[in-house]
Amino acid sequence: DQQVKQNSPSLSVQEGRISILNCDYTNSMFDYFLWYKKYPAEGPTFLISISSIKDKNEDGRFTVFLNKSAKHLSLHIVPSQPGDSAVYFCAASVQGAQKLVFGQGTRLTINP
Amino acid sequence: DAGITQSPRHKVTETGTPVTLRCHQTENHRYMYWYRQDPGHGLRLIHYSYGVKDTDKGEVSDGYSVSRSKTEDFLLTLESATSSQTSVYFCAISAVGDQPQHFGDGTRLSIL
Repeated sequence: DQQVKQNSPSLSVQEGRISILNCDYTNSMFDYFLWYKKYPAEGPTFLISISSIKDKNEDGRFTVFLNKSAKHLSLHIVPSQPGDSAVYFCAASVQGAQKLVFGQGTRLTINP
Repeated sequence: DAGITQSPRHKVTETGTPVTLRCHQTENHRYMYWYRQDPGHGLRLIHYSYGVKDTDKGEVSDGYSVSRSKTEDFLLTLESATSSQTSVYFCAISAVGDQPQHFGDGTRLSIL
């Protein structure tokens, strides 16, 4: 029973264009969402988070959008750069709790 | 980068042997976590600790035990390793329970 799903295993985007990564969740109790980026042979690195009281959060080239009614969040990267090529994981939790639930990950490839 | 060291980084062992993985942090964070990463599953929480000698189970705790005798060290033990426990194991830390977790670089464990 996958509570957090990333339905696209991979995504290929041209350098300079927008990358959009998607994530769906089923547990309506989730109220805190995060995106992590992972390079091979390294641990995941925190990118950006959003609380359910917001519908958008920006940090530089990264913006996360949350649609609570659709139980959907997305990560936008603009403009995409070669160094953005990595696996991206979304994660969710009930705020104040310790248990993060991760999606399966999406491999993003930025082509020159 | 968060001061998290996982040891060993790679290990190959045989079915039925005990295995202990170590996570060491220099951040004095209260919370520590163990995850496993498998293809198609993302990261799944095994156990976590919310203080010295205080631990709780995660999503996939069967076959694993943990101990935390000092703030800086969190040990994961496979009492009798099985091939299904072949995985990449990540340790994470956070200062408080609802803050982003920061990850170590992982231990690749192969059980033959």
